[in-house]
Amino acid sequence: KNEVEQSPQNLTAQEGEFITINCSYSVGISALHWLQQHPGGGIVSLFMLSSGKKKHGRLIATINIQEKHSSLHITASHPRDSAVYICAVKPAGQFYFGTGTSLTVIP
Amino acid sequence: KAGVTQTPRYLIKTRGQQVTLSCSPISGHRSVSWYQQTPGQGLQFLFEYFSETQRNKGNFPGRFSGRQFSNSRSEMNVSTLELGDSALYLCASSLVSGGETQYFGPGTRLLVL
Repeated sequence: KNEVEQSPQNLTAQEGEFITINCSYSVGISALHWLQQHPGGGIVSLFMLSSGKKKHGRLIATINIQEKHSSLHITASHPRDSAVYICAVKPAGQFYFGTGTSLTVIP
Repeated sequence: KAGVTQTPRYLIKTRGQQVTLSCSPISGHRSVSWYQQTPGQGLQFLFEYFSETQRNKGNFPGRFSGRQFSNSRSEMNVSTLELGDSALYLCASSLVSGGETQYFGPGTRLLVL
């Protein structure tokens, strides 16, 4: 059983499209993280959320603690957004990660 | 500040050998966590070190071990390598143990033949 489930696994979009990636989790948490991993492996932390919504540029992350669900939205997608997006939670002691969503944005 | 650094970046080993990977955290960060990433299993937590002590451990066999030095640099060792150990090994540092905000290194890509 996976503590964190992400969907979709793969996503291809045309430049300019609005993108949504979903994450559901089954454990109690204090915060959820969205990570971005570019080809080559480096991981960057995008958001840490404990409630409501956060926005950074064209990226918006929301979380519903009661429903144990979070979404990552990308507005006006661009080819440089092509990456793997991973959600992660830390119920106690260690992180659990979703399997990631591979996003490709076509010019 | 310099980011998290990992050495080596790439490594090829054969089954049965052992390997040691190194991670230098961001200056001032005292917690280092290690992760394994494979296409099949995704990212999985290996262990966390803080102040030279292992604080948490994931569900990996005893062949995987680590340590942390007084300058917070950490090493991870895998003994008796198996083909399935081929993976990207990432370390991440944070200010405190259990810190929610982690900064990842570029990873070491290990290939076991």
